[in-house]
Amino acid sequence: NFMLTQPHSVSDSPGKTVTISCTRSSGSIDSNYVQWFQQRPGSVPTTVIYEDNQRPSGVPDRFSGSIDSSSNSASLTISGLKTEDEADYYCQSYNGTNQIFGGGTKLTVL
Amino acid sequence: QVQLVQSGAEMKKPGASVKVSCKASGDTFTGHLMHWVRQAPGQGLEWMGRINPNNGGTNFAQKFQGRVTLTRDTSSSTVYLEVNRLTSDDTAVYYCARDLGVSIFFWGQGTLVTVAS
Repeated sequence: NFMLTQPHSVSDSPGKTVTISCTRSSGSIDSNYVQWFQQRPGSVPTTVIYEDNQRPSGVPDRFSGSIDSSSNSASLTISGLKTEDEADYYCQSYNGTNQIFGGGTKLTVL
Repeated sequence: QVQLVQSGAEMKKPGASVKVSCKASGDTFTGHLMHWVRQAPGQGLEWMGRINPNNGGTNFAQKFQGRVTLTRDTSSSTVYLEVNRLTSDDTAVYYCARDLGVSIFFWGQGTLVTVAS
């Protein structure tokens, strides 16, 4: 199995744009879809991006996902940061039958 | 609208077993894989395994092989997670989650399992 590595934390101010990376340790990032989940403090995870770059209904278009084969990583970009975006974000992919989560990134909106 | 409703919090002693349920509604029960994910206090998300409600077929993360059982009841659209030989390291919130196509999409509300003597 591969690993997904995320930065432990990122922070920025309201209105700014932040990008969270998710690097796959082995195998190609574009071999399997990547999902992103948001988990606000004390709450259940919710899906903000699925299948690399698809946004569920109800998720603002400030959230976008992308894949970069050159760095073998996926990214979640949040533009126009709001205080409500402060949360933990997890990337996730799969390998055959196994689902693999990144370690999570704590986003602080200063 | 897909809903996953889990059973309530549990408190168990070390060495005991726990069984958590997850009732699905809003879509075809047998049409999508159901996963179990846990989160220890202050920690990240950890995938445990999945079940195909159509045929009962299961797959597990290697760490949980032999200690975790997944079952389903198609008559009530419910899946079950049973964890045996509990230790304090199993103290966590346990989530059921349903597939959308190829991966996890919908989440249950979570069930806190506390293991303490």
